[in-house]
Amino acid sequence: DTAVSQTPKYLVTQMGNDKSIKCEQNLGHDTMYWYKQDSKKFLKIMFSYNNKELIINETVPNRFSPKSPDKAHLNLHINSLELGDSAVYFCASSQLRLAERGTQYFGPGTRLLVL
Amino acid sequence: AQKITQTQPGMFVQEKEAVTLDCTYDTSDQSYGLFWYKQPSSGEMIFLIYQGSYDEQNATEGRYSLNFQKARKSANLVISASQLGDSAMYFCAMREEFTGGFKTIFGAGTRLFVKA
Repeated sequence: DTAVSQTPKYLVTQMGNDKSIKCEQNLGHDTMYWYKQDSKKFLKIMFSYNNKELIINETVPNRFSPKSPDKAHLNLHINSLELGDSAVYFCASSQLRLAERGTQYFGPGTRLLVL
Repeated sequence: AQKITQTQPGMFVQEKEAVTLDCTYDTSDQSYGLFWYKQPSSGEMIFLIYQGSYDEQNATEGRYSLNFQKARKSANLVISASQLGDSAMYFCAMREEFTGGFKTIFGAGTRLFVKA
């Protein structure tokens, strides 16, 4: 199936731990994103990579570090997890050319709960 | 300042009726794009419809249409013949350009309840 996939789907962990979320897309897109959706459903961009290059880096604690080994993968590593990191994290991808509209296609989300 | 405003936190509609979800946006760009996404209770984000700032006709996709009024900076989503499966959160979003690429800004969402 052509899609954006994320693993894991659920992540429950203790405060202070380090965890990673992986994302892969097989849509042939050149740009990938990480979003955080809080408990009020507000969706906020965190990072974006275009062809493995960081192009968006919003005001995010430096405990969050994205890594893009190739343009089909974008992983998110979080150090020293805090209670406030509990949220749903979405990966998305798009094609950056204007002719492609920039429509973003989302992964299923990773529900992170920090205890 | 809010770039995307969705003033209706929640809406109710009777099954088989039409419903309009409001969205206003703020930009000084000439070239931009507007999107609507649906998020059902299962959590996934589903792309519904797109409108480019230079598109002269309103976008339509099946039962979804986008009422684009450029001068008023509004991009309302119209769902015709509502179905129970339309109950979900709906997000309006705008693509804006910056040096090096594009960024998509999302509104706060409108939760739609379809009544049987």
